[in-house]
This record gives sequence, structure tokens and C-alpha cells, in this order.
Amino acid sequence: GENVEQHPSTLSVQEGDSAVIKCTYSDSASNYFPWYKQELGKGPQLIIDIRSNVGEKKDQRIAVTLNKTAKHFSLHITETQPEDSAVYFCAASQRPSGGSYIPTFGRGTSLIVHP
Amino acid sequence: NAGVTQTPKFQVLKTGQSMTLQCAQDMNHEYMSWYRQDPGMGLRLIHYSVGAGITDQGEVPNGYNVSRSTTEDFPLRLLSAAPSQTSVYFCASSPGWGEGYTFGSGTRLTVV
Repeated sequence: GENVEQHPSTLSVQEGDSAVIKCTYSDSASNYFPWYKQELGKGPQLIIDIRSNVGEKKDQRIAVTLNKTAKHFSLHITETQPEDSAVYFCAASQRPSGGSYIPTFGRGTSLIVHP
Repeated sequence: NAGVTQTPKFQVLKTGQSMTLQCAQDMNHEYMSWYRQDPGMGLRLIHYSVGAGITDQGEVPNGYNVSRSTTEDFPLRLLSAAPSQTSVYFCASSPGWGEGYTFGSGTRLTVV
């Protein structure tokens, strides 16, 4: 099955700095890669996703990049703000033509933005 | 639109007791899943369903049962609670492959 590794487990930055979280996946058939943000005491919330036919996607201060050859994808947050402090999860899944089409999640990155 | 509703929010069980965690969604989503979240372990899949009447096991299914008699509801049953099942449980739903999941707010379960 799919295996998703996420790094770092904890990331501490100053307000205004950029933050980058990286994930690698094992199954080359995976072609959908969402990112979730989980605030304290809440369920994860989808913040951005990317499909395998796209190399990069941006949404305001958030961007995701995908390198299918190397089987890794990254979340980039620019101009970080204290409200960006949360746990971030990456995930990978594949179209249901064989194998698991339920997303496999990374173990999460705790992002702390210091004012 | 309530999204994904989980009940109860908190529960304390004694070892050996059984209970059902409720999950309901009003978005007509086909996919529904149950995850447990433990410190440092991320989100681990317990059971999932890709439509009414269809369920399958995830990564950590032992000690749990599910059923999906309607599109809206996906209850998780703990058969005989054990301290190892102390965790936060999340239910999530999705329209299908290639679409993000909407998560409920979670159930914090403690087994003593």
C-alpha cells in the first residue's frame, strides 16, 4: 500500500517568514495530493490540493508543488501569521482502478508562528 | 448545511463496555471514513465506505465494526472497549476520488 512520509514533525518560524513542509510518497500510481490544516480542538480542514497533471498550484499565501519523478510534494506558506499556527497533514491517493483510493495521510507537522 | 456531525463529543467508557459513535453528513457524499488520531501517529484509517451497503477495513480495524445502510449515516461500533482505544475519533466524507474530505469535529474517547 501507499506510504507517506512527512517532514519536519515540528516547524517554528517568526511571523512574516516562509514555511515549507515536505512529503514523499511511495506509490507512483498516486495522483491526488491534498493538504489539511488542523487547529487545536478541531477536525482537519482541506486548504489546498493538487493533481498529478499539475506541477504547482497557488492560493493567496499558500502554494503546493509536486515532483512526480521524485515522488514528493511540498506545502509553501509565505508571510506567515500567528493564525497559521496549526498541525498540517499531507495525503496521497490514486484513482480507483486498482489499489487504495482512500487517502493515506502523513503524520503531521506542527507549525508554530511566533509573533 | 451542517456538514459532518459527530456525536458524542466526549465519552468515558469502562473496559469491556460497548458503544456506538455516530456520524451523519448532509452533503450527499458517497465516500465516508473513520480515523483515529493519537499523538505522533497522525490519522489512521479504521474503516471506510464508498457507498451505501459497501464497507471495507482500513489500517487499524480490529475492535471496531461499521455499517452503511444509508448515504447519510456511518456509525462506528466499539465491540468491547479497551484502554488502547483511548483516542480522538474523526469521521470524514467526500464526494468521491479526487475530492477533499470534510471532517467532523471529533469524538474524544477515554477507556478506563
